[in-house]
Amino acid sequence: GENVEQHPSTLSVQEGDSAVIKCTYSDSASNYFPWYKQELGKRPQLIIDIRSNVGEKKDQRIAVTLNKTAKHFSLHITETQPEDSAVYFCAASLTGNQFYFGTGTSLTVIP
Amino acid sequence: DVKVTQSSRYLVKRTGEKVFLECVQDMDHENMFWYRQDPGLGLRLIYFSYDVKMKEKGDIPEGYSVSREKKERFSLILESASTNQTSMYLCASSFWDRGYSNQPQHFGDGTRLSIL
Repeated sequence: GENVEQHPSTLSVQEGDSAVIKCTYSDSASNYFPWYKQELGKRPQLIIDIRSNVGEKKDQRIAVTLNKTAKHFSLHITETQPEDSAVYFCAASLTGNQFYFGTGTSLTVIP
Repeated sequence: DVKVTQSSRYLVKRTGEKVFLECVQDMDHENMFWYRQDPGLGLRLIYFSYDVKMKEKGDIPEGYSVSREKKERFSLILESASTNQTSMYLCASSFWDRGYSNQPQHFGDGTRLSIL
């Protein structure tokens, strides 16, 4: 089955700096890659997703890039704010019935 | 807005008990999922269902079973609870696009289960 690796496991940045989280996947047939943000004690919430026919997608301060050849995708957060502090999960899916998650990145934004 | 509701936020049970975790979604989603979340291990899929009475094993089904008698409800059952099943359990649902484009999952708030 699919295997998703996520790095780093923890990340601390100064407020206003950028944060980058990377994921690699093993199954070249995977075609959908969502990112979830989970604040402490809350449910994971979708923040951005990308499909395999697109190389990059942006939503305000958040962007995701996909490199199908290298089988990796990354989350970029610019101008970080304290409210960006959370655990971020990447995932990969082929059929929509199964999602394979990374192990999560705990992001801390230092004011 | 999609609402996925899990019946309990916190639950304490004893070893050997049969435990039921309930999940209800209000968006007529075909797919429903049960995950287990443990520190450093991310989200691991226990079971999923793509239709009423249909179920598929995920990565860690041992010690668990599921039931989906109605489209909106997906239950996770711990047949005989053990201490290594102490964890956070997350339910999720998603729409099945018959055009075969994957749709995102929507999660419940989770149930923190402790087995003593």
